[in-house]
Amino acid sequence: DAKTTQPTSMDCAEGRAANLPCNHSTISGNEYVYWYRQIHSQGPQYIIHGLKNNETNEMASLIITEDRKSSTLILPHATLRDTAVYYCIVRVGSGGSNYKLTFGKGTLLTVNP
Amino acid sequence: KAGVTQTPRYLIKTRGQQVTLSCSPISGHRSVSWYQQTPGQGLQFLFEYFSETQRNKGNFPGRFSGRQFSNSRSEMNVSTLELGDSALYLCASSRTQGLGSSGANVLTFGAGSRLTVL
Repeated sequence: DAKTTQPTSMDCAEGRAANLPCNHSTISGNEYVYWYRQIHSQGPQYIIHGLKNNETNEMASLIITEDRKSSTLILPHATLRDTAVYYCIVRVGSGGSNYKLTFGKGTLLTVNP
Repeated sequence: KAGVTQTPRYLIKTRGQQVTLSCSPISGHRSVSWYQQTPGQGLQFLFEYFSETQRNKGNFPGRFSGRQFSNSRSEMNVSTLELGDSALYLCASSRTQGLGSSGANVLTFGAGSRLTVL
């Protein structure tokens, strides 16, 4: 079962920042938060991941709260091509033979012109 | 560099048949995992292979099986197909199995194989 909670859908105007929230209140100390997105009929695409500190790469920024119970993915200047389902995932298990990624339903982000 | 390649991209089968899907990971990636995606259930983990050994398995019946070859390429097989097996089957590769040395594991997905069972 997914251990994350995301809104089902969100809208964003083109050129504006898109802020996608995720709750992961049961996250444990050594679990990473990953974000992937899936554009219709394609495989999921990795965006960013983090443990405790805020992270930024060429695609997005990830803000993780100090208690690590929630995070926000920020697309600073959304474009129409960012319309996709965004998945927030935490690693399930303790690694080794118990490792797997569990995807929830994700958030459908629609970027409007 | 080449991405994860899945074949075939589309296929149609009838109930009771079996199907084999193939996945070629990124060069240098030794871990391959498989996922099933349906509109109702979303993305569900099937299994993961590393060094030709199944390391992890999701909650799917024994009709779903897989294997990995010495070159890290992987196949999955579904026997006695049912209508509910219609789905997009996704393969993902990563450099390591489970957690990497940094404690994280980033997956690169293929475009998927869309199976329709009639």
